[in-house]
Amino acid sequence: EDKVVQSPLSLVVHEGDTVTLNCSYEVTNFRSLLWYKQEKKAPTFLFMLTSSGIEKKSGRLSSILDKKELFSILNITATQTGDSAVYLCAVSDNYGQNFVFGPGTRLSVLP
Amino acid sequence: EAGVAQSPRYKIIEKRQSVAFWCNPISGHATLYWYQQILGQGPKLLIQFQNNGVVDDSQLPKDRFSAERLKGVDSTLKIQPAKLEDSAVYLCASRPPRGGFTDTQYFGPGTRLTVL
Repeated sequence: EDKVVQSPLSLVVHEGDTVTLNCSYEVTNFRSLLWYKQEKKAPTFLFMLTSSGIEKKSGRLSSILDKKELFSILNITATQTGDSAVYLCAVSDNYGQNFVFGPGTRLSVLP
Repeated sequence: EAGVAQSPRYKIIEKRQSVAFWCNPISGHATLYWYQQILGQGPKLLIQFQNNGVVDDSQLPKDRFSAERLKGVDSTLKIQPAKLEDSAVYLCASRPPRGGFTDTQYFGPGTRLTVL
């Protein structure tokens, strides 16, 4: 059965700190790993990763995938209170149709 | 571009009652997903449609849940009868037709269901 594990489940930091969120997975016929940010209800897309070792970057957020060790990290530098959210990791299979989500990491950034 | 629309946004019912949720995906999106997200957990796929056909409903509790996507556009998810453990946010998501290499799903705002 496909599985996604995220750690930590919860994290509290202060503004300006750098955080690293982890996602490990087991999936048959891996196709892609996706990161989402969920602030209130609807998850919003951050990154899609398909190749090992290629960093995706968007502003203060970056992410990288290791397909050999079956994990990904999401880095947020110089955190702001607006980064407070649940960060979800999901993987899709080779058909790109089935998505399995992890439990999420709840990040709280204090002023 | 209009996003994924869902209604209602909130619903409170008593156990054993029935409830229905509606989703209108982004225009042109062939694939539609319904997820259940229990508080503190990640979204769990209930059912996936490709146009008006079911691709995967292996995790849908079929004794009480049903879903349809008539004409391959709007979709309705129904629970009958509801149980306390059905309290969750129900998320609808849609995805563009395959043809480009994108696995991005676009989520609606969700419906928060509380079963008393």
